[in-house]
Amino acid sequence: EDQVTQSPEALRLQEGESSSLNCSYTVSGLRGLFWYRQDPGKGPEFLFTLYSAGEEKEKERLKATLTKKESFLHITAPKPEDSATYLCAVQAGRDDKIIFGKGTRLHILP
Amino acid sequence: NAGVTQTPKFRILKIGQSMTLQCTQDMNHNYMYWYRQDPGMGLKLIYYSVGAGITDKGEVPNGYNVSRSTTEDFPLRLELAAPSQTSVYFCASRITGGNQPQHFGDGTRLSIL
Repeated sequence: EDQVTQSPEALRLQEGESSSLNCSYTVSGLRGLFWYRQDPGKGPEFLFTLYSAGEEKEKERLKATLTKKESFLHITAPKPEDSATYLCAVQAGRDDKIIFGKGTRLHILP
Repeated sequence: NAGVTQTPKFRILKIGQSMTLQCTQDMNHNYMYWYRQDPGMGLKLIYYSVGAGITDKGEVPNGYNVSRSTTEDFPLRLELAAPSQTSVYFCASRITGGNQPQHFGDGTRLSIL
């Protein structure tokens, strides 16, 4: 069964304390992996698309990487405004099915 | 360019009532989606459409109906509201082709009492 698992469920960090969020997947025929940010009361906002193992993308304090089985979202020296839920989604199969993980709630303490 | 617009933002319904959640996009996207998001459960696909006149069921379609008469609009209909349909509903769209990200609206928070 196709599955996307994110860990941890929640993470509290001090401002400036770097860490990584994990997204592991088991799917047939990966077409792409997406990272989104979701603020309370808002819809998910697109961050990155990764297509193939070894690929990396960066945006400000965020860096996303991809292997054959998982993706990491590295956050370097985070600030309180980086607090949000981060969602991972995988597009796979001949029907381009999109499967979301349950998300990681990130809280950055000032 | 407003992106994906959902109305209403909030709604309270009584059990057995009906309503339509509206979704419109101005990006000329062929693909549109309806999701529900429950606490700790992630996004679950209700229905999707690959173009005007074409719709298909997702993971949790029971109790809902959709139509797609235009490229821009993709309304979601609840015919007989049940407490289990209390959730936040998100509409999304994307352009045709693999590896294209979805663009989301800001959701409709629905409570069934």
